[in-house]
Order: sequence, then structure tokens, then C-alpha cells
Amino acid sequence: AQSVTQPDIHITVSEGASLELRCNYSYGATPYLFWYVQSPGQGLQLLLKYFSGDTLVQGIKGFEAEFKRSQSSFNLRKPSVHWSDAAEYFCAVGARGGYQKVTFGTGTKLQVIP
Amino acid sequence: SQTIHQWPATLVQPVGSPLSLECTVEGTSNPNLYWYRQAAGRGLQLLFYSVGIGQISSEVPQNLSASRPQDRQFILSSKKLLLSDSGFYLCAWSAALFTGDTEAFFGQGTRLTVV
Repeated sequence: AQSVTQPDIHITVSEGASLELRCNYSYGATPYLFWYVQSPGQGLQLLLKYFSGDTLVQGIKGFEAEFKRSQSSFNLRKPSVHWSDAAEYFCAVGARGGYQKVTFGTGTKLQVIP
Repeated sequence: SQTIHQWPATLVQPVGSPLSLECTVEGTSNPNLYWYRQAAGRGLQLLFYSVGIGQISSEVPQNLSASRPQDRQFILSSKKLLLSDSGFYLCAWSAALFTGDTEAFFGQGTRLTVV
């Protein structure tokens, strides 16, 4: 079965600074990959997803993520963080051709300071 | 467009009391439906999913149950709540089974506190 690790539980960045949230997965083949964002007390919203093709994926709100097969990673990036980006971010992985439901990471909570 | 509604938004219940959380989806037919629980530091744990009316699959043994009485209605229940049932509960739907080649859409969640 697939698994996903988000090594950073909490990250603090200054507004305007760049951001990178780490995500590592374990799966024997090329997986499906997702990043979701959860604002406080809210549900999850899909930021971006990787199914196939270009390994650099553009998402909403100025986010992007790059699938690196050699590193089993799918890190989320944003060049300039806004205060409204403060939220919890979840990476998720799905297996191709199987019946295992998508597995979510434990999340990274982002704090943005002025 | 499709929308998902989940209520109530917050709930405080005493230990031993029953629970009923409701989720409905609009704008689509025969959705796959899911109940997740989110606990601090543990990410999202899939509790139940349903591929059709009356069809419920349980992912983890627990004190909760789920039912799908109508195509677009999914209910999470308990006869007697435990303190450990406290958490943030999320309902979600997807057009096909959420194994990866489709995406899931989430409700706003219910914060349940068992006291």
C-alpha cells in the first residue's frame, strides 16, 4: 500500500518570502499526487494534482509542485507567501490501477508572520 | 455545479449520548461518499465510504457507523459517544472511487467535542 510523509509539522515564514512544503511518498510505481489546503475550521480544497505528463504542476492561488521520481517527492512551492496562505496543507497519494483509497499525510501547518 | 453540505458545523455532546452527522451532495448522481476524521497530528483517516445506496464499507473498527438512505445523503452515527470520538469530521464525495485517478471534494467539516 502507498504511504505519504510530511516531515514538517509546523512552518513559519514571513509574508513575501518564498515557501516550500515537503512531501515524500512511498509507492512502487508512479503515483497520483495531490496537495490540499485547509483553512482553520474549514474543509479541504484541492490546490493541485499530478496524474501524468509534465512533472511541474501549476495550481490555484499561485502554488506549484514538482514531481521528482528519483527523490519520491512532490514538494509544494510558492514564490511569495501572503498572509491569507496561513492554513494547514495536506499531501496525498493514490495508487494507479488499484482499489486502495487515497492516503493523506499528517499535514503541515503554515504560519505567516508580517 | 456540485455542492456538498455538512451539518452541524460544531457539536458538543456528553459521553454516552447518541450522534448523527449529516452530509448531502447536490448537482450530481450516484456519487461516491466518504467520512473522514481528522485528529491533531494524524492527518485524515478514512472511516467509511459508500459507492451506492445502502452500501457501506468500513475502513477502521470503531464506535461509529454510517448509513446511506438516499443517493446523495450520507449519515455518520453513534449510539453512545466516547471521549475518543472527539475530532473534526469531514464528508467528501467523488465521481469515481477516490483511489487517485479522480479527485474528492470536501464539506466544511463538523467539530465534535465529547465532554
